[in-house]
Amino acid sequence: EVQLVESGGGLVKPGASLRLSCAASGFTFRIYSMNWVRRAPGKGLEWVSGTSSDSTYIFYADSVKGRFTVSRDNARNSLYLQMNSLRPEDTAVYYCARDLGSPGPFDYWGQGILVTVSS
Amino acid sequence: SYELTQAPSVSVSPGQTASITCSGDKLGDKYACWYQQRPGQSPVLVIYQNNRRPSGIPERFSGSNSGNTATLTISGTQAMDEADYYCQAWDSSTAWQVFGGGTKLTVL
Repeated sequence: EVQLVESGGGLVKPGASLRLSCAASGFTFRIYSMNWVRRAPGKGLEWVSGTSSDSTYIFYADSVKGRFTVSRDNARNSLYLQMNSLRPEDTAVYYCARDLGSPGPFDYWGQGILVTVSS
Repeated sequence: SYELTQAPSVSVSPGQTASITCSGDKLGDKYACWYQQRPGQSPVLVIYQNNRRPSGIPERFSGSNSGNTATLTISGTQAMDEADYYCQAWDSSTAWQVFGGGTKLTVL
């Protein structure tokens, strides 16, 4: 069974940093592209970042470029999102999602992890 | 940047057909997919490559994509179909994944 489990969320102040993790199991992680998607309160889904299977290709939405860094460790079956210089508008539930076709669609999603940026 | 537009809300009576549309410039030249997200749950892929259903998705869900509009059709809508629905496409010029703003489907 494919499972994606996010961790690392929480409440932080503006300007702080946070690192999200996504532990994958039930599939051959190293051959799939992976993505981070978020949903802010009262808003819709927003794609944040994606990485190819071997990290050769990495992309970011304009809203997080220069502040967020995506990485993966194929030996540990894990995906990460390093979030720096956090802003209140980064408050959202963050999901990791497996990429079925590189690019897209996203066929499996984690349960999501809440990140709250507030003073 | 590429944009996808959805109506904020659609209402349908139980047993009737619901149509949810997604508009974007030459969207028909891209693959469109659709996600269902119930309150408090993670998104679920219901249609990909315009009209393909993943395993486990009921046959009442179907999709089409032509011109500037992709459409998700739910036939014989059930109360359990009440959810937010999002379209998605890949913008090759930026390599970004783009989501529509979402449509809240109400079954009443």
